[in-house]
Amino acid sequence: ELKVEQNPLFLSMQEGKNYTIYCNYSTTSDRLYWYRQDPGKSLESLFVLLSNGAVKQEGRLMASLDTKARLSTLHITAAVHDLSATYFCAVDSTYKYIFGTGTRLKVLA
Amino acid sequence: DSGVTQTPKHLITATGQRVTLRCSPRSGDLSVYWYQQSLDQGLQFLIQYYNGEERAKGNILERFSAQQFPDLHSELNLSSLELGDSALYFCASSPQLARNTGELFFGEGSRLTVL
Repeated sequence: ELKVEQNPLFLSMQEGKNYTIYCNYSTTSDRLYWYRQDPGKSLESLFVLLSNGAVKQEGRLMASLDTKARLSTLHITAAVHDLSATYFCAVDSTYKYIFGTGTRLKVLA
Repeated sequence: DSGVTQTPKHLITATGQRVTLRCSPRSGDLSVYWYQQSLDQGLQFLIQYYNGEERAKGNILERFSAQQFPDLHSELNLSSLELGDSALYFCASSPQLARNTGELFFGEGSRLTVL
């Protein structure tokens, strides 16, 4: 059974700092997705990573995928308060998408 | 706006009751997915339909059922409700089973409160 784990689960960081969120998954997949969720809201797609070595960047966020290590990272550069949210990675596996546990990010001014 | 429409947005009901949640996927999307998100929890996959056929099932309780209709909208039926069923239920859609980007587009969710 596919398992997707994220760490850390909670992250409190100062504005201007850098940090990385990790997403590990247990079975072979060459597709990985990152989503953002604000409290009580829907999920917004951030990145779609479709192959080994894929790297995508949008603003202060950069995501990468290493399918051999079964690892994806979401790197935050010079965090700002607006990035406070919960971030999920997801892996697709035979007609279903399994989401990680989520990382709740709080950026402090 | 993702283009996925869910109704109702909020629903309050009592234990033992039955409710139906409705989802209209994005225009042209054939696949519909249902997820449950309990308070401060991750997303639990419930069930997936493709063009009217059930294709994958997750940890969906026997009290829950779903279907996708010929017009591609989907309904999730929850019966004999318990307090623990209180959650945010999301519907997501994608164009086809595979071989596009695979990106899911989520609706705004239906928040169910069971009292």
